[in-house]
Amino acid sequence: GAGVSQTPSNKVTEKGKYVELRCDPISGHTALYWYRQSLGQGPEFLIYFQGTGAADDSGLPNDRFFAVRPEGSVSTLKIQRTERGDSAVYLCASSADGHGYTFGSGTRLTVV
Amino acid sequence: GESVGLHLPTLSVQEGDNSIINCAYSNSASDYFIWYKQESGKGPQFIIDIRSNMDKRQGQRVTVLLNKTVKHLSLQIAATQPGDSAVYFCAEMGAAGNKLTFGGGTRVLVKP
Repeated sequence: GAGVSQTPSNKVTEKGKYVELRCDPISGHTALYWYRQSLGQGPEFLIYFQGTGAADDSGLPNDRFFAVRPEGSVSTLKIQRTERGDSAVYLCASSADGHGYTFGSGTRLTVV
Repeated sequence: GESVGLHLPTLSVQEGDNSIINCAYSNSASDYFIWYKQESGKGPQFIIDIRSNMDKRQGQRVTVLLNKTVKHLSLQIAATQPGDSAVYFCAEMGAAGNKLTFGGGTRVLVKP
């Protein structure tokens, strides 16, 4: 598509549940990134994929967070045993060259 | 709706005046700097970038200035328009590329 697509746009889940957030990057972009943005803050890096592999996952806060990109295109961010502190907007971005990012509109996750 | 600018410093500017937004960055090894605009409910949108071997770069109505000595970045918007109302973030990237570190953001409110 023309831009980065993220689904769902909003997700409300109960504490302790498992959630999956999906990102569809711009076609042909080999690099894909996940960021998390809390209210009133700038986005914080979570993980970066180059092709199918996670090139840098240093921003994942703990082992409840995991992301995959099995075919080098769509990526899924998975959060197990969600906590109220996981509530944030999860942003995905893609890039053809590692510098020119295009962000999606994000998934707003609310854990109740 | 959600306000990404909650609790952020705010710059109020009269329509038609020039705006200057400042940002201090932390990593002297950062090689690439970008300004993003973020409207409520949307992801960050690229405005302009600059590499560390430059001190000024101009775009359409926007200018970025980089002072590496004091690790300071600024964004100047000429003839500010109502559509410029948003939250603005600076971001830095190291020489290895790929991972962005965002600053805290400034909300710009344009008064008619």
